[in-house]
Amino acid sequence: DSGVTQTPKHLITATGQRVTLRCSPRSGDLSVYWYQQSLDQGLQFLIQYYNGEERAKGNILERFSAQQFPDLHSELNLSSLELGDSALYFCASSVAQGRETQYFGPGTRLLVL
Amino acid sequence: AQSVTQLDSQVPVFEEAPVELRCNYSSSVSVYLFWYVQYPNQGLQLLLKYLSGSTLVKGINGFEAEFNKSQTSFHLRKPSVHISDTAEYFCAVSEYPNDYKLSFGAGTTVTVRA
Repeated sequence: DSGVTQTPKHLITATGQRVTLRCSPRSGDLSVYWYQQSLDQGLQFLIQYYNGEERAKGNILERFSAQQFPDLHSELNLSSLELGDSALYFCASSVAQGRETQYFGPGTRLLVL
Repeated sequence: AQSVTQLDSQVPVFEEAPVELRCNYSSSVSVYLFWYVQYPNQGLQLLLKYLSGSTLVKGINGFEAEFNKSQTSFHLRKPSVHISDTAEYFCAVSEYPNDYKLSFGAGTTVTVRA
């Protein structure tokens, strides 16, 4: 158990819908990272927050957005969902940013039908 | 921008045999290097990491990796595998001081047979 929690574990929804994935980092960690794992694209970095502020952006679609709240939990919002958004979404956290290890949560498996 | 190439997509190996998983990277700046393991239906767990210092890095579960700067490689090895090592292994790179996001290779599936 990494100490990072993600809810829900599974999510099934329809095209065009909007969903919110939630991540609670390890106690004391200030950085949260979101990654997408799909069969065709592999593991890709989406976005990073540090202490409430966006710090880095990767291959994140405009239909996706994220935020980190004052209690440091983070939410990833996916809207206008398409079949291709079906994937495993991981959250990771680290103490700060830099050399610190990123600890991964168990992931949320999203299926868009 | 960095990229990571894992040279083998699948590696079948017999129990108690050695295994080596190959990873090459490209980057224009300094990097940190990582190996993560993903067991079926689980998240990623850090096996080991190279930040600086000794190029031979020891990790959990008997794994080790060697950083070779001239060949831009970070190969993972284990002298004797167990059935429980069956998993997918990911090599990852982060650039500093640009940012610290992880760029992952495509993964290597290791299947250990008795």
